[in-house]
Amino acid sequence: GAGVSQSPSNKVTEKGKDVELRCDPISGHTALYWYRQSLGQGLEFLIYFQGNSAPDKSGLPSDRFSAERTGGSVSTLTIQRTQQEDSAVYLCASSLSLASYTGELFFGEGSRLTVL
Amino acid sequence: AQSVSQHNHHVILSEAASLELGCNYSYGGTVNLFWYVQYPGQHLQLLLKYFSGDPLVKGIKGFEAEFIKSKFSFNLRKPSVQWSDTAEYFCAVTSTAAGNKLTFGGGTRVLVKP
Repeated sequence: GAGVSQSPSNKVTEKGKDVELRCDPISGHTALYWYRQSLGQGLEFLIYFQGNSAPDKSGLPSDRFSAERTGGSVSTLTIQRTQQEDSAVYLCASSLSLASYTGELFFGEGSRLTVL
Repeated sequence: AQSVSQHNHHVILSEAASLELGCNYSYGGTVNLFWYVQYPGQHLQLLLKYFSGDPLVKGIKGFEAEFIKSKFSFNLRKPSVQWSDTAEYFCAVTSTAAGNKLTFGGGTRVLVKP
């Protein structure tokens, strides 16, 4: 498809388990962002990748969170030893370049994570 | 701390009423400003953006926003809302002083009653 694709759309897991969330950006987009949207909390920046540059990981809330982007395309966000406070919608977005240059991020539908 | 603040969490209004949503930021450096909208059941999409030039920016669907540098504000306006404007609206900022990542405010849920 032409848009940003995320999977799974819904994930229910038990506390303590690891989860992987996948993002397939729009072809040709060099920048990829991950955000977390919790109820009533707005969008919380997690990490972004830009081309071959080192990612900006400044928003990752703990060392249980990590992300990688293979081949400059698909990205995986991994949450280890999940906690109930990790429950949220995880949004991925891509853009032609950094938002500060192009101004428009294209968002996926999100992956809703529920930790029991 | 650097932040983006949206003062109203919920707004309820009737069709044809005027809408103004507040957004303030506390970043230094050169800023670029955005409003995104999320309609029910849909993904976030760009409404309008300001990079430079005329501080009054026109976006899609009759929305506009005004950048007032002295007030660190970028308020969103629409003179006459429609039921289809029911959505959540997010202000966002990039700043050269904050590593250029796009930071969002907490969002404002707008409900337009028919």
